Amino acid sequence: DAGVTQSPTHLIKTRGQQVTLRCSPKSGHDTVSWYQQALGQGPQFIFQYYEEEERQRGNFPDRFSGHQFPNYSSELNVNALLLGDSALYLCASSFPNVDGGYGYTFGSGTRLTVV
Amino acid sequence: QKEVEQNSGPLSVPEGAIASLNCTYSDRGSQSFFWYRQYSGKSPELIMSIYSNGDKEDGRFTAQLNKASQYVSLLIRDSQPSDSATYLCAVNGRVSGGSNYKLTFGKGTLLTVNP
Repeated sequence: DAGVTQSPTHLIKTRGQQVTLRCSPKSGHDTVSWYQQALGQGPQFIFQYYEEEERQRGNFPDRFSGHQFPNYSSELNVNALLLGDSALYLCASSFPNVDGGYGYTFGSGTRLTVV
Repeated sequence: QKEVEQNSGPLSVPEGAIASLNCTYSDRGSQSFFWYRQYSGKSPELIMSIYSNGDKEDGRFTAQLNKASQYVSLLIRDSQPSDSATYLCAVNGRVSGGSNYKLTFGKGTLLTVNP
């Protein structure tokens, strides 16, 4: 049973460029959430996708956008990159558990460096 | 206002000791609570989940939840050098006004176990 797959693993971009990160959720999971984790900080919620729609969004500017495809995979796009966008980007897929909780599975992340 | 707060750390314990990690949260409607372990440069790894008040034990790990006090903790018994990592508390709470849930993380506590 494949877990969450993220690509690429590492990426170096120049300020002002655009980047697309990809995520394939765990089999059976229909919800994908994206997180940004800066060095020394906990993961910060960017947005969540369900049924191909953005269901909720954290405190991130419109430069951050996303998409979910019919197979539940997802993309995170960041435009006009800033140095401060350098971080580990994590994708988590989830599905309600039978006990009322939620099971979240994280991918290995994409390390984005903006120079 | 921070939604999930952890004891700031860093925390240093000798090998074989008990490490105690604490977390408080602000959303009384939160349903599920998680502890993740994160090694430097890696993605978070789920080590414990807890949904009901009381204690939950899994090997050397014990999670404790007190919803009235909005408090969750993690005890690591017989700490090993391999337990040295950042421990993230995460809370799955309902997004205000809706039926959706969001996983919110604390900043993390760096634990060092000294041989």
